[in-house]
Amino acid sequence: DAMVIQNPRYQVTQFGKPVTLSCSQTLNHNVMYWYQQKSSQAPKLLFHYYDKDFNNEADTPDNFQSRRPNTSFCFLDIRSPGLGDAAMYLCATSRQAGGRYPDTQYFGPGTRLTVL
Amino acid sequence: DQQVKQNSPSLSVQEGRISILNCDYTNSMFDYFLWYKKYPAEGPTFLISISSIKDKNEDGRFTVFLNKSAKHLSLHIVPSQPGDSAVYFCAASPNAGNNRKLIWGLGTSLAVNP
Repeated sequence: DAMVIQNPRYQVTQFGKPVTLSCSQTLNHNVMYWYQQKSSQAPKLLFHYYDKDFNNEADTPDNFQSRRPNTSFCFLDIRSPGLGDAAMYLCATSRQAGGRYPDTQYFGPGTRLTVL
Repeated sequence: DQQVKQNSPSLSVQEGRISILNCDYTNSMFDYFLWYKKYPAEGPTFLISISSIKDKNEDGRFTVFLNKSAKHLSLHIVPSQPGDSAVYFCAASPNAGNNRKLIWGLGTSLAVNP
């Protein structure tokens, strides 16, 4: 089945210790998104890639970086995690952006990040 | 400032009855609306959508109604089933050219009791 896969499902890191979350997709979608979701809050878009074009949200801290080495994979790097970065990180994909209406976004199961 | 508001954090409904989840928005530039469903420990999954040129869209047990003048939409689930118990997110997209970012509500947790 075509899907969006996130690894690991649970990640524990120490304050200030860099961490990388990964996302892969078998849907061959052009667009990949990273969201942060904290408890009882809406998903917050951090950035997205349209193919290789990186689009950062204006309020995404510099502490968060992303890489997309190929169509299938996208990584979220948190350079120096703080306690406030503990959250669920969701990866999503869609076929394309910029059409008359947005294409459906397909989400992975998320990675729960704990910062000690 | 929440542009998409789901004012009921939770809703409890008896199996077989109708569930009505509400969503209000403030931005008149929004022209496309989506509902996503989320089970614990899973990512959101797309449920149903509606564009602003319509006032109703139906898919099986799920119907979304849009009232543009009131800036209000609702999701109706009939009949409700225990498997529908999940968090439901309303999301909206502005008609802003290539920037088709989704603006999300905080979600409503639905419990369908057997």
